[in-house]
Amino acid sequence: DQQVKQNSPSLSVQEGRISILNCDYTNSMFDYFLWYKKYPAEGPTFLISISSIKDKNEDGRFTVFLNKSAKHLSLHIVPSQPGDSAVYFCAAFPRLDGNKLVFGAGTILRVKS
Amino acid sequence: DAGVTQSPTHLIKTRGQHVTLRCSPISGHKSVSWYQQVLGQGPQFIFQYYEKEERGRGNFPDRFSARQFPNYSSELNVNALLLGDSALYLCASSLALGRWGSNEKLFFGSGTQLSVL
Repeated sequence: DQQVKQNSPSLSVQEGRISILNCDYTNSMFDYFLWYKKYPAEGPTFLISISSIKDKNEDGRFTVFLNKSAKHLSLHIVPSQPGDSAVYFCAAFPRLDGNKLVFGAGTILRVKS
Repeated sequence: DAGVTQSPTHLIKTRGQHVTLRCSPISGHKSVSWYQQVLGQGPQFIFQYYEKEERGRGNFPDRFSARQFPNYSSELNVNALLLGDSALYLCASSLALGRWGSNEKLFFGSGTQLSVL
């Protein structure tokens, strides 16, 4: 039962253009969402988060959008850089089980120079 | 400052054996969580410990157990290994427990790659 879904296994983008990574969730009890980035042979590193009371959060080149009615969030990276090439995981905390982070399967982003 | 450290980095075991994985959290962090990442999937929550007490358990069989020591380091034990236990085991530490504010995040180690033959 995949509660957090990242339906695009991979995405290829030209350097300088926008990267948009998408994530859908099914559990309406999720109220805090995070994006993690993972390079090979390293653990995931926190990128950006958003609370369910907001619909947008920005941090430099990274913006996360949340559409609660559609149970959808997206990560925008502008402009994309070759160093952004990594696996990106969408993750969520359920309201009543705040210790358990639920991850999607990840999207491999390749930024071509 | 040292990040989350895990040992060993790689491990090969055979079916039926048991394994112990170790994790040292970032200094000052009192919470440790364990995740299993099977190839092609996202990390899946196994356990969370805070102040040496289990505070959360994922949907894993009783063959999986863990503990946290007074210095906040942690061990994950898996008994009677199955082929399906082959995965990357990630440890994550955080300052506290529960809701995540803007300054609280999970910090992950690089993981232990377990192969069961």
